[in-house]
Amino acid sequence: EAGVAQSPRYKIIEKRQSVAFWCNPISGHATLYWYQQILGQGPKLLIQFQNNGVVDDSQLPKDRFSAERLKGVDSTLKIQPAKLEDSAVYLCASSFTPQSAAELNEKLFFGSGTQLSVL
Amino acid sequence: AQTVTQSQPEMSVQEAETVTLSCTYDTSENNYYLFWYKQPPSRQMILVIRQEAYKQQNATENRFSVNFQKAAKSFSLKISDSQLGDTAMYFCAFMNRDDKIIFGKGTRLHILP
Repeated sequence: EAGVAQSPRYKIIEKRQSVAFWCNPISGHATLYWYQQILGQGPKLLIQFQNNGVVDDSQLPKDRFSAERLKGVDSTLKIQPAKLEDSAVYLCASSFTPQSAAELNEKLFFGSGTQLSVL
Repeated sequence: AQTVTQSQPEMSVQEAETVTLSCTYDTSENNYYLFWYKQPPSRQMILVIRQEAYKQQNATENRFSVNFQKAAKSFSLKISDSQLGDTAMYFCAFMNRDDKIIFGKGTRLHILP
């Protein structure tokens, strides 16, 4: 089974530039998450999608961050313009709603993340 | 609002010893999931163990076990016979019925040879 795919793996930009990250969740997973993980901290939820609808974006800095999940599959996260404090790892994860207890073996799957450095 | 607290920023233990990582959480919900994730320097989040809140029995996965105290909202992870490969960041996480997942700030665990 293919995992959650993210690209790029690394990105270095200067402040005030724009950047976009891409995530392809596991096939059939309805829920997709974007997390921001600053060095030495736990992941912070930026946005949660259920299919192509937004469930929670309360912690997304909407003046500079945007995300979309067209057709309820792939998702992109954009930052425009970037600030120094946006330097972090951006993790994408997906999950499904298990139909039975037997499917609960592993509910949430993570990608390898995109490490963003803003100079 | 739900919160997850890990009170130990960093811990070190000798190889083969047992170590316990603590986690407390706050929620008004009755049905939820709790997880422990391991994150090595590769940044990959690796599921260590999972607990459903409706189950009273503590989850166990080989050398990893949890002490789930629902009334106290406590979910600690015990690693037995610790190995050098256990060195990593460990995150406690809470998932509610809307599939919203909240992470603690993590505990950096060092296994010393």
